[in-house]
Amino acid sequence: GAGVSQTPSNKVTEKGKYVELRCDPISGHTALYWYRQSLGQGPEFLIYFQGTGAADDSGLPNDRFFAVRPEGSVSTLKIQRTERGDSAVYLCASSFTQGGTGELFFGEGSRLTVL
Amino acid sequence: GENVEQHPSTLSVQEGDSAVIKCTYSDSASNYFPWYKQELGKGPQLIIDIRSNVGEKKDQRIAVTLNKTAKHFSLHITETQPEDSAVYFCAATAGRRALTFGSGTRLQVQP
Repeated sequence: GAGVSQTPSNKVTEKGKYVELRCDPISGHTALYWYRQSLGQGPEFLIYFQGTGAADDSGLPNDRFFAVRPEGSVSTLKIQRTERGDSAVYLCASSFTQGGTGELFFGEGSRLTVL
Repeated sequence: GENVEQHPSTLSVQEGDSAVIKCTYSDSASNYFPWYKQELGKGPQLIIDIRSNVGEKKDQRIAVTLNKTAKHFSLHITETQPEDSAVYFCAATAGRRALTFGSGTRLQVQP
């Protein structure tokens, strides 16, 4: 399909484990965003990329969270030493425009459960 | 940074009635205000947006109003239908900053 693809759709892990979540944006979209959504809440900004570089990573909660986009397309969100509080749906979005002033196209999310 | 507050958190209306969702924002520099609709198990999808140089925008049954002086904006849905049932999020941003979302409104349209 032509939409944003996120894998895995569901991930269950144990406290302390390492997790990687992948996002494949819409072809040609230069901006890519990661958000985290807890149950009953709005998406919470984590980081966004313009091309290969992180334009704003101010939403990453601590140094256990890291994201890369080495070739300016696919991005991976990496979480080390997972904690139960990391359980949430991690949403990826892509856009033609930098920052937030254009339409964001969201994937269906990766649901992370930390036991 | 920006802070967006949204209310009500839940809203139930009868089919055919109107629904109104309200948001306030804190950063006077914000100039772009989109609304997203999220259905169960899906990512949010843009339904309408407004920029700070206009006060109102309409698209069929959906309209958004913006009051920059008071720093609030609203979503209006007329002639609601069961397929309008979803969670709606307002958001705000300025310049190259990523969107800040509100906490969402769960709209239930009763047939």
